[in-house]
Amino acid sequence: AQKITQTQPGMFVQEKEAVTLDCTYDTSDPSYGLFWYKQPSSGEMIFLIYQGSYDQQNATEGRYSLNFQKARKSANLVISASQLGDSAMYFCAMRPSAHGSGNTGKLIFGQGTTLQVKP
Amino acid sequence: GAVVSQHPSRVICKSGTSVKIECRSLDFQATTMFWYRQFPKQSLMLMATSNEGSKATYEQGVEKDKFLINHASLTLSTLTVTSAHPEDSSFYICSARDSDRGSGNTIYFGEGSWLTVV
Repeated sequence: AQKITQTQPGMFVQEKEAVTLDCTYDTSDPSYGLFWYKQPSSGEMIFLIYQGSYDQQNATEGRYSLNFQKARKSANLVISASQLGDSAMYFCAMRPSAHGSGNTGKLIFGQGTTLQVKP
Repeated sequence: GAVVSQHPSRVICKSGTSVKIECRSLDFQATTMFWYRQFPKQSLMLMATSNEGSKATYEQGVEKDKFLINHASLTLSTLTVTSAHPEDSSFYICSARDSDRGSGNTIYFGEGSWLTVV
């Protein structure tokens, strides 16, 4: 079965420090995509970073990087130099079959991690 | 700017009435859109896949007669919650896939709609 697991319901980090949010996934598809989204209290889903299963390098987007360990089926999000505005809920998600006709765009979400940045 | 627009952002309706939520792709055509439901502090759960020009595909446990989905054009999908009850109060959010983009992040979310049934 395809599944995303986020084992940290809540995390605290000191402002300006780095934090890692954990995500593991389960799929038998050889091709898939992994996403991280930030959801502030307003509810909107803000796209942070994407990693394709065949990508050779870990994805980076500004202060966000994805630590992709394919053999361990983990896709942890690293936020460097945390800011107060980073306080939000973070979701890891998987899209089965990143390429080809099976790419419908349906996402499977993890349970989410609430991050609080302390001043 | 937003490439998927969802409306209304907040709606309050009386129990027993129906409410319609719209999801529009602004910069691209979307043959497929997705509707999710989210309870407070919980994950997003896929309700259904909206297919342009054909019937929606509902996930197991989602009542298709209660949550009517129409995808009449390549840029618009609507979700109608029929005979709403307080337990239908939730956050509903749509997404759309830009099929012209081959890989990478091709999925865009609307802003979401907060539904309160009183």
